[in-house]
Order: sequence, then structure tokens, then C-alpha cells
Amino acid sequence: KNQVEQSPQSLIILEGKNCTLQCNYTVSPFSNLRWYKQDTGRGPVSLTIMTFSENTKSNGRYTATLDADTKQSSLHITASQLSDSASYICVVSGGLGKIIFGKGTRLHILP
Amino acid sequence: KAGVTQTPRYLIKTRGQQVTLSCSPISGHRSVSWYQQTPGQGLQFLFEYFSETQRNKGNFPGRFSGRQFSNSRSEMNVSTLELGDSALYLCASSFVEGKSYNEQFFGPGTRLTVL
Repeated sequence: KNQVEQSPQSLIILEGKNCTLQCNYTVSPFSNLRWYKQDTGRGPVSLTIMTFSENTKSNGRYTATLDADTKQSSLHITASQLSDSASYICVVSGGLGKIIFGKGTRLHILP
Repeated sequence: KAGVTQTPRYLIKTRGQQVTLSCSPISGHRSVSWYQQTPGQGLQFLFEYFSETQRNKGNFPGRFSGRQFSNSRSEMNVSTLELGDSALYLCASSFVEGKSYNEQFFGPGTRLTVL
């Protein structure tokens, strides 16, 4: 069964600290993996997209990694800011236009 | 370029009614996908339209339907509303259909509340 599992479900950290969010998937065949940030009440915004051959990609303070062998991805946030408080959604695309969403990790940054 | 727009942003309906939501994609984007987002289930794929044709469909009952117009604008309709249909409905557009390396750009969503 094609699934995308994210952990933790929620996370609370202090402003300025780093954190890492996890995404494990069983989608096959695999085409690409994306991380989205979704602020409350808004639509998701793309952070990174990686294909099978890419194992790391950065977007400012956000760095995503992909291990296609173990079917795991992580999103690392460096020097967190209050504006990083949001839900982070991992999305895996497979064959024939199949798109599977994780349920997201809710991140809270405290001042 | 203007982003994806969705109307209305908020909607309150009662059980049994029907509702129509509208989505205008980014100019030049021909693929429009619809998603339902609830706290318990996360984002779930409803359907995708490309060139006025439904290309993919998720596992939702026939009460959920959609269409796309020649200008790529899309509408989705939910008939005989149920309490469980309360959700954020998101529309996403992309430039190329069928190529999974296509980035989707999401609209702000329509918050539907069914009483």
C-alpha cells in the first residue's frame, strides 16, 4: 500500500534552535518527493522537490535530504524563527500521476 | 503572475444542500487538482483536470464532482452535503499534466462548514 508517514506529529522548540522532521514512504514506483509549508488558514507552499538522484536540497534555512534506498526523507530547519510555526507536509509522487500526502508535522516555535 | 485564486474563501451550508467552489489557476497552467483537507485525514486528493478532461480521481463518493472550462478555470460541486464534508478545500494548479515532476501551486482554499 502506498503510504507516507511523518513524524513527529507535532513539535515544540524554542526560537533559534534547530529541528528535523521525518518522512518515511512506501510509494512505488517513486518519482519525486516534496516538502510543503502550510501556514494556518493558507494553502501549502512548496519548499523543496527532489528526484530519485538527488539526496539533498536546500532552500534558505530549510534543508531536505532523501535516501531512496531506505525510502526516508528529512527536513532540517536551522536557526528557527517564529515565522517557521506551521505545518510541514511531505508529498511523494509515484507513477501515473499518483500523489500521496503525509498528514504533516505541526511545528510550534516559542519565543 | 497572479497566484491561484479560490472563491469563496468561506462558506456555511446546511446538511442536504449543495455547494459549488471555484478555482482560477495561474495563467498558463492547464492542470488543476482539488484536495480536501481535514485535521484527522490531512490532504486527500479529489480529482485532477487537464484540458477540460478529468485525468485522475481519488476515492470520494459521486456526490463530489468537478469540471474545467476552456480557460482552465475549474469548479467543484458537492451535492447532498453531510456534516463530514466540513473541510478546507484546496485547489492546486500546475503547468504540465501527467509529468510528476511538476510543481503544484496551491490556492488559499475554501473553508466549508456544514451545519
